[in-house]
Amino acid sequence: EAGVVQSPRYKIIEKKQPVAFWCNPISGHNTLYWYLQNLGQGPELLIRYENEEAVDDSQLPKDRFSAERLKGVDSTLKIQPAELGDSAVYLCASSQGAGNEQFFGPGTRLTVL
Amino acid sequence: QKEVEQNSGPLSVPEGAIASLNCTYSDRVSQSFFWYRQYSGKSPELIMSIYSNGDKEDGRFTAQLNKASQYVSLLIRDSQPSDSATYLCASSPPRGGKLIFGQGTELSVKP
Repeated sequence: EAGVVQSPRYKIIEKKQPVAFWCNPISGHNTLYWYLQNLGQGPELLIRYENEEAVDDSQLPKDRFSAERLKGVDSTLKIQPAELGDSAVYLCASSQGAGNEQFFGPGTRLTVL
Repeated sequence: QKEVEQNSGPLSVPEGAIASLNCTYSDRVSQSFFWYRQYSGKSPELIMSIYSNGDKEDGRFTAQLNKASQYVSLLIRDSQPSDSATYLCASSPPRGGKLIFGQGTELSVKP
């Protein structure tokens, strides 16, 4: 069974530029999560989707971050414009329903210069 | 106070020894607990989940949960150098949803 797929794996951009990350969850997993992980810290949730619906986006900085999960499968997380402090690893995870085990993708390491 | 706390380490044990990793949580209503292993430069990998008080064993790994003390632990028996990684403890609220992670404990297993 294929795991969670993310792309790109690495991204380097100038500040104020836009950037987008893509995630394809494990087949059959209806719950999708985007987490942010800073160096030396555990991941922190940005947004959680149940199918197409964003059910928890309380930690998403909505002035610059947006996300979508059209058709309840793939998801895209966007930052516009990026700031220096956005440099981190962006992780996508999926589970078979909320409360069940979450499996992470390889992550996208973002560097904002 | 952080919701999930771990000693950041590093915890150093000799090869073949038992490594003991500890975690405390502040939200009494937390129901589910997870241990993830994260190698440097990689993403977290789920190694154990535990939902009820007591011990849960899987190979060389044993997770222990004590809800009265709000304490979760992970024991790694016969530690190997390949176990050297950061171990993340996470809790989940009753209806599921986000995982709340500790900052992780770095484990180093010396040959």
